[in-house]
Amino acid sequence: DTAVSQTPKYLVTQMGNDKSIKCEQNLGHDTMYWYKQDSKKFLKIMFSYNNKELIINETVPNRFSPKSPDKAHLNLHINSLELGDSAVYFCASSQDTRTQYFGPGTRLLVL
Amino acid sequence: AQSVTQPDIHITVSEGASLELRCNYSYGATPYLFWYVQSPGQGLQLLLKYFSGDTLVQGIKGFEAEFKRSQSSFNLRKPSVHWSDAAEYFCAVGARDMRFGAGTRLTVKP
Repeated sequence: DTAVSQTPKYLVTQMGNDKSIKCEQNLGHDTMYWYKQDSKKFLKIMFSYNNKELIINETVPNRFSPKSPDKAHLNLHINSLELGDSAVYFCASSQDTRTQYFGPGTRLLVL
Repeated sequence: AQSVTQPDIHITVSEGASLELRCNYSYGATPYLFWYVQSPGQGLQLLLKYFSGDTLVQGIKGFEAEFKRSQSSFNLRKPSVHWSDAAEYFCAVGARDMRFGAGTRLTVKP
């Protein structure tokens, strides 16, 4: 069974569109995260949710909005997509502040 | 603010040779330290972690890392590299607000 899963795996879209990426974890963890990995492989945290509550919100454009319907899910909605949003987005989860386990990533390409 | 430096962007080693990947961190308290590996087109897999206790930690795939507080380092080692170890390796520090290094790309020569 996949511990942290993301859908879709690949997403190709036009500038200006709105898209969502879904993340689910079946580890029973209480904290979930979104990371962005740019073309140089640099990983940066975007958001963190603990028990459905936002606890970390890095400097991210407000076009990005995380939504956590329950502890096991953290979705990322992106409005008005821009070329610079092209990246790989990783979801992760952890129990308390300990080890984070990552999903397989969603490769977003904005044309 | 916490940060991680991986001084080597790219390392090439021959198969069977030993490997050491360097990681230096800046952190205000006792750090939580991690090494992750990312194969091409894949997600991040945890190799090992250090929270406290024995400063030499063993991980999966024959990797180990040593925490040296005096040097603010957490270097990753493997005695004999296999071709399948070719990947991107990331050092990370922190907890919820985890910070990653820029990564070291490992190439393995036959």
